Amino acid sequence: RKEVEQDPGPFNVPEGATVAFNCTYSNSASQSFFWYRQDCRKEPKLLMSVYSSGNEDGRFTAQLNRASQYISLLIRDSKLSDSATYLCVVNTPENTGKLIFGQGTTLQVKP
Amino acid sequence: EPEVTQTPSHQVTQMGQEVILRCVPISNHLYFYWYRQILGQKVEFLVSFYNNEISEKSEIFDDQFSVERPDGSNFTLKIRSTKLEDSAMYFCATSFSTYEQYFGPGTRLTVT
Repeated sequence: RKEVEQDPGPFNVPEGATVAFNCTYSNSASQSFFWYRQDCRKEPKLLMSVYSSGNEDGRFTAQLNRASQYISLLIRDSKLSDSATYLCVVNTPENTGKLIFGQGTTLQVKP
Repeated sequence: EPEVTQTPSHQVTQMGQEVILRCVPISNHLYFYWYRQILGQKVEFLVSFYNNEISEKSEIFDDQFSVERPDGSNFTLKIRSTKLEDSAMYFCATSFSTYEQYFGPGTRLTVT
């Protein structure tokens, strides 16, 4: 089983749509979770950290289900500028700072 | 907004040559990392550095790789004898704690 596994993409959605990405992680002892966004040939940019209780930042909502080892990201009212690859990222259980990345899911928002 | 910077943005080198990639961390950050991303693949951890020493390294980070913080500001990654398979995007990341990391724009290394 891959350490961090994401939905295969690409997701093609119209502007204004709601889209959800899923991610599973293999190590049940992991403590810290993140969503990063990566534009083509650019660096990963931190989108949001994922907290146990779930958290929201504007149009973005992240959820964590520890029992199922599952993380999700919901984007509401998609904008053209949301087109990017979304990376699910997990810290090692010891929180050493070694980040483990998923392959990423590509989102294309169309007019 | 403070940001991580990296130089050069693109480096072309011949197989067997040494390269040094440079990073300037965000000023109050204490933890420093190198990651790489081969074209079309996922981002992979190479090494973490804290308190002037390596705290963790991956299997990729073999004897050909080294890191240092020579002057208290720059953080460098050296590859002693480059191989074709070292061609990748190299990202520096920094953090105040071992939690949220901020990435630099990357150096694209092309080994010919």
